[in-house]
Amino acid sequence: GAVVSQHPSWVICKSGTSVKIECRSLDFQATTMFWYRQFPKQSLMLMATSNEGSKATYEQGVEKDKFLINHASLTLSTLTVTSAHPEDSSFYICSASPMDRAGNEQFFGPGTRLTVL
Amino acid sequence: GENVEQHPSTLSVQEGDSAVIKCTYSDSASNYFPWYKQELGKGPQLIIDIRSNVGEKKDQRIAVTLNKTAKHFSLHITETQPEDSAVYFCAANTGSGYSTLTFGKGTMLLVSP
Repeated sequence: GAVVSQHPSWVICKSGTSVKIECRSLDFQATTMFWYRQFPKQSLMLMATSNEGSKATYEQGVEKDKFLINHASLTLSTLTVTSAHPEDSSFYICSASPMDRAGNEQFFGPGTRLTVL
Repeated sequence: GENVEQHPSTLSVQEGDSAVIKCTYSDSASNYFPWYKQELGKGPQLIIDIRSNVGEKKDQRIAVTLNKTAKHFSLHITETQPEDSAVYFCAANTGSGYSTLTFGKGTMLLVSP
C-alpha cells in the first residue's frame, strides 16, 4: 500500500516551453501533497505544500508564477514549470500524506528528471 | 525554523557489519522522525519512523532510537548487505501544523561484499 506514481519519469524540453508533471496516489486518498526538487548529490528541498481544493503554499524563494501547482482531487496533484530555463533542470519529486492515518507520514513518488536545453 | 543535521556524509562498511547514522534537530516541538532510503535515480522510500512518545523502534535489521532531551535520533542497520547501499535521509516534522518535513543532507552508505 501507499503507492505514489509520477508521470513522466523524465522529460527533455526546449528553453521557454512549459512542462507539466503529474503526481498520483494510487491506493489511498491524500489531502496533502508536497513537491520537492533535488539537485545531484544534495538533499530534498521542499518547494510547496498542496492541499486539495485550495491554493498551494510555497516555500520562501520559490516563484509561484513559475511553478504552478494544482491539486484538483484527493489523488492527483500537478506541477507545471512555466517558461522553463536550463537552471530549472533538476529532479522533481512529489510526496503524499494519507488522509486516514495519524498524520505526518509522506510517501514519495519515483521522481521526474527534467532537462531543459 | 527546524534545522536537521546528519552525520556522517559517507559511510563504508563490510558486509555483515553494523551501520549507524546520526541526526540532530533543533525544534523541540518536532514529534515525528522518519528515515528514508534513496537509491540512485529513484524517489525516497520510507523505511522506518518514530514518534516522540517512543524511545526506540525496531523492524527486522533496522532500528531507530530517539533521545528527546538531547534532540537527536539515530538509524541502526545490523548485518548489512550490499543491497543496503544507498543514500539515507533523516527528517523531522516542522512548519505550521507540523505536517512538513525538514531533511538532513543525507548519508551515502556503501556496503562492500
